[in-house]
Amino acid sequence: ETGVTQSPTHLIKTRGQQVTLRCSSQSGHNTVSWYQQALGQGPQFIFQYYREEENGRGNFPPRFSGLQFPNYSSELNVNALELDDSALYLCASSEVAGEGDTQYFGPGTRLTVL
Amino acid sequence: DQQVKQNSPSLSVQEGRISILNCDYTNSMFDYFLWYKKYPAEGPTFLISISSIKDKNEDGRFTVFLNKSAKHLSLHIVPSQPGDSAVYFCAAIDSGTYKYIFGTGTRLKVLA
Repeated sequence: ETGVTQSPTHLIKTRGQQVTLRCSSQSGHNTVSWYQQALGQGPQFIFQYYREEENGRGNFPPRFSGLQFPNYSSELNVNALELDDSALYLCASSEVAGEGDTQYFGPGTRLTVL
Repeated sequence: DQQVKQNSPSLSVQEGRISILNCDYTNSMFDYFLWYKKYPAEGPTFLISISSIKDKNEDGRFTVFLNKSAKHLSLHIVPSQPGDSAVYFCAAIDSGTYKYIFGTGTRLKVLA
């Protein structure tokens, strides 16, 4: 059983650019959640996808968007990058989108915006 | 508004002793809680969870206690080992949205 994987590991972009981060969910999981973790903070919920539909969103602007594919892998897209977008981006998968269902995290993608 | 708070940014404990990590929450809609451990350059790893219908859950060296009236939970690690040194996050699930809300983390250092 493979765990959650994310790519790339690190990324450097400049302000105004666009970025796409990728996540492969754990085998058997159909729900993917994305989080932003700034330095010294806990992960902040961006959004969740369940069976290719957005299933909840945190307090992030529309320039943060996502996709989930039929194989349940997912992408996070961020447009018009700002310096404050520099953070660790974590993807987590779970079997279903529900209370009590444990999310399993990938290693994260560290994004630096210059 | 920080709905899940971990007020101790760091904690040092001698090997073999008990580590107690604390977490407070404000939202009464939270009814499922989890603890995650995070090593540098890795994603958070699930450790233990507890439903609000329980006040204690135990898994080996790890025990989580929940005090609903005080909106407080704690993670006990006994005995602490140097490999337990990591950042520990508590998380709560909002039963209305199923969103995970994380605290800011406590860095535990277990001294050999």
